[in-house]
Amino acid sequence: QVQLLQSGPGLVKPSQTLSLTCAIAGDSVSSNSAAWNWIRQSPSRGLEWLGRTYYRSKWYNDYAVSVKSRITINPDTSVNQVSLQLNSVTAEDTAVYYCARDLERGTYFENWFDPWGQGTLVTVSS
Amino acid sequence: EIVMTQSPATLSVSPGERATLSCRASQSVSSNLAWYQQKPGQAPRLLIYGASTRATGIPARFSGSGSGTEFTLTISSLQSEDFAVYFCQQYNDWPLTFGGGTKVEIK
Repeated sequence: QVQLLQSGPGLVKPSQTLSLTCAIAGDSVSSNSAAWNWIRQSPSRGLEWLGRTYYRSKWYNDYAVSVKSRITINPDTSVNQVSLQLNSVTAEDTAVYYCARDLERGTYFENWFDPWGQGTLVTVSS
Repeated sequence: EIVMTQSPATLSVSPGERATLSCRASQSVSSNLAWYQQKPGQAPRLLIYGASTRATGIPARFSGSGSGTEFTLTISSLQSEDFAVYFCQQYNDWPLTFGGGTKVEIK
């Protein structure tokens, strides 16, 4: 059974960098059939997919257009986890952030998510 | 961007009754639709993918139907643990988009 355990600060100052990690148990961040995603949820924006990382002989990243200039998702194979960094945050980035797994079947990703991490509420405020 | 619209926003149902939730896409998503359940303070849980395939461990009282732009999630006989918010998600096109949710509450 795959479990995702998130950690990171719940309060970030405006203009600073939001940093979260997602520890993976029961699967490998380097899996050839999985992608590791970050999704956020806020009352104003609902559920919003932010990006993903995956390994297929080399590492790949895909990012949402809305955050592409500010986001970095990195794997850490030494501790089997994936991280999210979001730069230059504003109050609009206040949300619950989730990591979630997506699986590849055949030659394409399913693009639905299971399982999800427990979520981390991040508030952007001075 | 494909807009997903869920209705109703809130559904009041008595335990043991049937609940029918709707999800409409602004353009066809074929059968590339998933449903999730979210309880307060918890992450979403995958219920259905491919519009009608139950995820592992999901009880048979949950069923999904539809294709194209109109989808339905049916809970045949509501149990106490089913009172939650339900989201649909299309994965036919990028960006992936979610509906705003339907809250199923106790009548």
